[in-house]
Amino acid sequence: GALVYQYPRRTICKSGTSMRMECQAVGFQATSVAWYRQSPQKTFELIALSTVNSAIKYEQNFTQEKFPISHPNLSFSSMTVLNAYLEDRGLYLCGVRQGAYEQYFGPGTRLTVL
Amino acid sequence: GDSVIQMQGQVTLSENDFLFINCTYSTTGYPTLFWYVQYSGEGPQLLLQVTTANNKGSSRGFEATYDKGTTSFHLQKTSVQEIDSAVYYCAMSHNNAGAKLTFGGGTRLTVRP
Repeated sequence: GALVYQYPRRTICKSGTSMRMECQAVGFQATSVAWYRQSPQKTFELIALSTVNSAIKYEQNFTQEKFPISHPNLSFSSMTVLNAYLEDRGLYLCGVRQGAYEQYFGPGTRLTVL
Repeated sequence: GDSVIQMQGQVTLSENDFLFINCTYSTTGYPTLFWYVQYSGEGPQLLLQVTTANNKGSSRGFEATYDKGTTSFHLQKTSVQEIDSAVYYCAMSHNNAGAKLTFGGGTRLTVRP
């Protein structure tokens, strides 16, 4: 079956530093990858959407300069949180769409900023 | 714009009770509708999805019907168990939107033994 892995599962970084997280789809080829942030008191905030053969599209309040994303092939994506601060803490989720409808999430990377 | 509303922030039941979680959506066209379940410390897991209006999706005893008339996609289960305790999210997506989902606020279900 379809599986989505995310690495690392948890990370702690000092304020002002950066950290990179990865997302790997196993058993299927992703047609689209979306990165979300789930903050403690909020539902899911869409950061950016990456679709095969299209430019990565960032949502309002999120920029490529702050959250650069790499999507080199159909099964792998990575995102970096640059200059992380307290408001960047949360659970970062990778959502991967297979075909036209099914969408699966990884377990998330929990970011703590000190 | 697109939105998904879950009116119940929390639901507390006893084992074998009937579960009903409310979900309504607002958008244009015919989106695909989803229910995800998120257990503590994990990412959301796809519970069920329905792509066609008036169809029903079911999984693990849960079911939801895509009601285009009332723009609803309520989640039901006849008899809940303690292991069903989790947060349930209703979501929707348009077919041309890639992996972009619009989520509801979530409903935390607590099932007492």
